[in-house]
Amino acid sequence: GAGVSQSPRYKVAKRGQDVALRCDPISGHVSLFWYQQALGQGPEFLTYFQNEAQLDKSGLPSDRFFAERPEGSVSTLKIQRTQQEDSAVYLCASSPHISSSRTRHEKLFFGSGTQLSVL
Amino acid sequence: AQTVTQSQPEMSVQEAETVTLSCTYDTSESDYYLFWYKQPPSRQMILVIRQEAYKQQNATENRFSVNFQKAAKSFSLKISDSQLGDAAMYFCASRREYGNKLVFGAGTILRVKS
Repeated sequence: GAGVSQSPRYKVAKRGQDVALRCDPISGHVSLFWYQQALGQGPEFLTYFQNEAQLDKSGLPSDRFFAERPEGSVSTLKIQRTQQEDSAVYLCASSPHISSSRTRHEKLFFGSGTQLSVL
Repeated sequence: AQTVTQSQPEMSVQEAETVTLSCTYDTSESDYYLFWYKQPPSRQMILVIRQEAYKQQNATENRFSVNFQKAAKSFSLKISDSQLGDAAMYFCASRREYGNKLVFGAGTILRVKS
């Protein structure tokens, strides 16, 4: 595809349910990020992948959150035993650059996010 | 740690007029990058403009320009000749020079009146 694709666009879950959110980055992009955006707030970093390696997961709020990118392309963010405070838009972004380097002209390409509502 | 503050929850501008969105930040880094992103209702974040902190010259991109005051840690966005399509949420963000994550402010909703 031409851009970063995320699915589903909307997800409603009952409290305690497990959910899986998918991100298809732009083909060939090395770096992949997940961000969490609560209502009325700016996005907050969750985790970063360089190819299949998860190099930074410092933003994951609890051990209920798990992300993977097994083949270095598609990534899945899984949330176990969802809570109401998990309700947010989950944004995925990709970049052709290695983000830990001095990439002066790095450009991130964002998807349209998955809006998760936990009832 | 880096922090980014946007003190204007909402701004309005008349079509064809100029508006300035404010942003202040805090960082202990000597070099870093600053960004303004636009988020329309589609939710897709779009890069508006980028500034490298080591550059004294303010970045410009067509109708968009910044006023970067490094000593004051201020990074405001000026939109000239505002258009209806500029209406969106605008986020200020920072990134360390050798970093892999953006730190965003809380955003400013920009409304453009015809």
